[in-house]
Amino acid sequence: GAVVSQHPSRVICKSGTSVKIECRSLDFQATTMFWYRQFPKKSLMLMATSNEGSKATYEQGVEKDKFLINHASLTLSTLTVTSAHPEDSSFYICSAEGLGRDEQYFGPGTRLTVT
Amino acid sequence: AQTVTQSQPEMSVQEAETVTLSCTYDTSESNYYLFWYKQPPSRQMILVIRQEAYKQQNATENRFSVNFQKAAKSFSLKISDSQLGDTAMYFCAFAYSGAGSYQLTFGKGTKLSVIP
Repeated sequence: GAVVSQHPSRVICKSGTSVKIECRSLDFQATTMFWYRQFPKKSLMLMATSNEGSKATYEQGVEKDKFLINHASLTLSTLTVTSAHPEDSSFYICSAEGLGRDEQYFGPGTRLTVT
Repeated sequence: AQTVTQSQPEMSVQEAETVTLSCTYDTSESNYYLFWYKQPPSRQMILVIRQEAYKQQNATENRFSVNFQKAAKSFSLKISDSQLGDTAMYFCAFAYSGAGSYQLTFGKGTKLSVIP
């Protein structure tokens, strides 16, 4: 149990375009989802926390207009990178926390490359 | 704010030997959780072991055990009988229920290589 999927696993987009990454909890309802960014050989950096049906809470330094997060249902959160630039290239990981579960379950990550 | 420090960027161990990864943290919270996560080359984050701060007994999971020293704010991971599949990045993480969710704060990680 407690499986989280991400789609796509890899995506390449051109500079100036937008790309959407989906995060789904497959066998539980995720009251809270988290989005992380990981640079090569670095730790995970929390970008934002989203609760179903409400606006996401962004960490300091994360541009909310650039990284749009939607948590429209208890099993799906999306991260949209708008007007992507090469510096947005990174590994993006989501995690989900279920009701009554004091633990985060991680998705497999999405590698974004902006050319 | 919480901080997590892993002072060993890289470590290596011979197969079948034992290795200990260090982690210290700083917090003013009294109720919290500590975790060790493994990130193999696939980059999938895998929970290795967790410890509730209110529990005095050190957590164990098969070959993995922790030495939790609450007063010293130390949380080290011991891997016994190291296997080649243990080669990965290991992240120590802290969590508390601040605003209703368990936000994780990660250390910078330790790259562990198991040598045949």
